[in-house]
Amino acid sequence: GAGVSQSPSNKVTEKGKDVELRCDPISGHTALYWYRQSLGQGLEFLIYFQGNSAPDKSGLPSDRFSAERTGGSVSTLTIQRTQQEDSAVYLCASSLQATGELFFGEGSRLTVL
Amino acid sequence: AQSVTQLGSHVSVSEGALVLLRCNYSSSVPPYLFWYVQYPNQGLQLLLKYTTGATLVKGINGFEAEFKKSETSFHLTKPSAHMSDAAEYFCAVSREYGNKLVFGAGTILRVKS
Repeated sequence: GAGVSQSPSNKVTEKGKDVELRCDPISGHTALYWYRQSLGQGLEFLIYFQGNSAPDKSGLPSDRFSAERTGGSVSTLTIQRTQQEDSAVYLCASSLQATGELFFGEGSRLTVL
Repeated sequence: AQSVTQLGSHVSVSEGALVLLRCNYSSSVPPYLFWYVQYPNQGLQLLLKYTTGATLVKGINGFEAEFKKSETSFHLTKPSAHMSDAAEYFCAVSREYGNKLVFGAGTILRVKS
């Protein structure tokens, strides 16, 4: 597709369940980022992929959070044993290394009941 | 560590008035600076960026920003506000291409008719 695609756009889950969020970056973009946007918290960096490697995962808030990227393309962010404080919009972005501009998807809104 | 401070979580202007959104950054090395805009229920869109060269940067929709190293600032301006400018604006800093962006907390711009 022409832009960054994220799915699902909305996810409601019960506390303690696992969720997977998917990001399909712009074709050819080598860098991929996950951010979390909570009400009043701004954008919080989670993890950065260059190709399939994650040189910076310093923003993952706990070991319940993990992410992978396969084939230098699609990435999945997994949250295990979800908690109410995990409720947020999870944004994915991709970029070409040379330009520095991040292109964002529309996000996945996660609500944990 | 890099950080970004956006002064004013909410700014209200009248249609046709000057828009000024303030951004200050801290960085131990020459930064790359960005402004993004987020319309309701959408992802972030790049307005403009500063990397090197001319310190006055022009972006889309009539916005511009000036990099002032001595003041560690990168304020966003637009001479005449339109109703369609109502959105949330984020300032961001990165050290080099390929590195994560560190975002400010955002400023919600309201345009009054």
